[in-house]
Amino acid sequence: QVTLRESGPALVKPTQTLTLTCTFSGFSLSTSGVCVSWIRQPPGKALEWLALINWDGDKYFSTSLKTRLTISEDTSKNQVVLTMTNMDPVDTATYYCARSTQFYFGYYYGMDVWGQGTTVTVSS
Amino acid sequence: SSELTQDPVVSVALGQTVRITCQGDSLRTYYASWYQQKPGQAPVLVIYGKNNRPSGIPDRFSGSSSRNTASLTITGAQAEDEADYHCNSRDSSGMHVLFGGGTKLTVL
Repeated sequence: QVTLRESGPALVKPTQTLTLTCTFSGFSLSTSGVCVSWIRQPPGKALEWLALINWDGDKYFSTSLKTRLTISEDTSKNQVVLTMTNMDPVDTATYYCARSTQFYFGYYYGMDVWGQGTTVTVSS
Repeated sequence: SSELTQDPVVSVALGQTVRITCQGDSLRTYYASWYQQKPGQAPVLVIYGKNNRPSGIPDRFSGSSSRNTASLTITGAQAEDEADYHCNSRDSSGMHVLFGGGTKLTVL
């Protein structure tokens, strides 16, 4: 069974750095075509893709947020970590991680398994 | 292109057929995926690829695509289909992932 679970602080202060961890099971990030994305959703708003890391260690970032984001993997722990610097109240959102497979250029088959999400509030 | 556009609100009478659309230049290159999201829950993939349903998704959900527009069709909408629906794809470069603004479906 494939599962993903997000974890991290529920509250961060403005200007602080947010660190979120996605712990997954039931698949390997080393398998060709597999990637893990981070997505967020502010209250009442649309989903926004943030970043992904693929089976080859390649990393892709949202154009609007790339200067604030880093993504990394710890294969020994089956974890993908997202950091976002300089947090602002507009970054208040539910943050999800999700898996994709067959993520090759020219192909896209969506995100087939999602975590339950973790809510992050940015406030002083 | 870096945008996917959806109608914000769509309604359908119980048992009728509804089509939810998603427009974007990148859809000429990549298929859209569709997600159903109910309040307080994570999105669930309902359609991916040309017209594929993950296991457990009812066959009243189907997908199609033409030029720069992808569509999600629910044939015989049920009360439990009332939810937000999000389309998703890659951009034309393949380097980024896009989401549409979401469509709130009301079943009357």
